[in-house]
Amino acid sequence: AQSVAQPEDQVNVAEGNPLTVKCTYSVSGNPYLFWYVQYPNRGLQFLLKYITGDNLVKGSYGFEAEFNKSQTSFHLKKPSALVSDSALYFCAVRDRGSTLGRLYFGRGTQLTVWP
Amino acid sequence: DVKVTQSSRYLVKRTGEKVFLECVQDMDHENMFWYRQDPGLGLRLIYFSYDVKMKEKGDIPEGYSVSREKKERFSLILESASTNQTSMYLCASQPGQSRTDTQYFGPGTRLTVL
Repeated sequence: AQSVAQPEDQVNVAEGNPLTVKCTYSVSGNPYLFWYVQYPNRGLQFLLKYITGDNLVKGSYGFEAEFNKSQTSFHLKKPSALVSDSALYFCAVRDRGSTLGRLYFGRGTQLTVWP
Repeated sequence: DVKVTQSSRYLVKRTGEKVFLECVQDMDHENMFWYRQDPGLGLRLIYFSYDVKMKEKGDIPEGYSVSREKKERFSLILESASTNQTSMYLCASQPGQSRTDTQYFGPGTRLTVL
């Protein structure tokens, strides 16, 4: 079975500090991993994805994520947080063996960046 | 840019009413999805469709049905709305069934059932 865990419901960080939003996954084979962001009263926006190759993936708005196979993790990072980064973040996984392309989402992590 | 639109941003209905939520995408995508989002539960897949007139149940299909008569349009139907279906409903589309494909989301419909 495929699953995604986001162990923190909330992450709080001061503006200008680095931020990390954690994600771990469980799949039967090698995974495809995604991060999405949701601003208040909006749909989800794609940030970045890991398919293969370099373990460090760069995405939109200065975000990056590091794939760690041994720890089955795909943590989202940003070197310097902005107040405008405050939003709900979702990690998602797709098993390479899955059919029909569906994604499995974590429960989300609310990021708050204070001035 | 991919555009996924949903017919309503906010909707208020009464218990027992039949409710239609419409989703349209403009990029000729094969796959379309309906999710509901509830606080603390994340996104849960209701139904998805990989072709016209084709559908597959997701994780929580009870109380819902879907229709896909045209490739660009995917409708979610609540046959008899109940208060426990009060939620945010998100539609998504995906180019095909490649495992590298990204899903693109609409703005969501916040449904309240009184």
